[in-house]
Amino acid sequence: KAGVTQTPRYLIKTRGQQVTLSCSPISGHRSVSWYQQTPGQGLQFLFEYFSETQRNKGNFPGRFSGRQFSNSRSEMNVSTLELGDSALYLCASSLEWVSRATNEKLFFGSGTQLSVL
Amino acid sequence: QKEVEQNSGPLSVPEGAIASLNCTYSDRGSQSFFWYRQYSGKSPELIMFIYSNGDKEDGRFTAQLNKASQYVSLLIRDSQPSDSATYLCAVILAGGTSYGKLTFGQGTILTVHP
Repeated sequence: KAGVTQTPRYLIKTRGQQVTLSCSPISGHRSVSWYQQTPGQGLQFLFEYFSETQRNKGNFPGRFSGRQFSNSRSEMNVSTLELGDSALYLCASSLEWVSRATNEKLFFGSGTQLSVL
Repeated sequence: QKEVEQNSGPLSVPEGAIASLNCTYSDRGSQSFFWYRQYSGKSPELIMFIYSNGDKEDGRFTAQLNKASQYVSLLIRDSQPSDSATYLCAVILAGGTSYGKLTFGQGTILTVHP
């Protein structure tokens, strides 16, 4: 069974640009969560999508947005990039909506390493 | 107070020893607790999940949960150099604005030396 797939693996952008990251969950998983990982802040929750609807959101500015398609694939968009957005962006999938089924296990993709110059 | 706290380490143990990793959480209503292992340059990998008070064993790994003390730990028996990684404690929070979010601690760096 294929795992969580994230593309691209690496991205280099300049300040002010926007970027779109893609995530394909494990087959049969309906929920996709996004995390930002930096050395200083660790893993920070961005948002969770289930059945094409955002179900939960972390404390990030509105420049960070996402969506989920009917096949459960998800995209994350960051507009007007800032230097501080340089990070590893991780996507994780689970069978069900995390906050509705409190024993849901999340499985992570390999991540997209974003560098903003 | 951070919602999920871990000692960042590094924790260094000799091969064959027991490594003990600790985690505390602030939300008393939390019910689900996870341990992830992350090798350098890789993504987090789920190694243990615990839901009830007490111990849960899986091979060389034992997770211990004490909800009254808001404390969860991971024991690694017969530690191997291949266990050297960052271990992340994660909790699905049950209260306030963090409800339903899988929230991670900063991670503990474990080094097992031969």
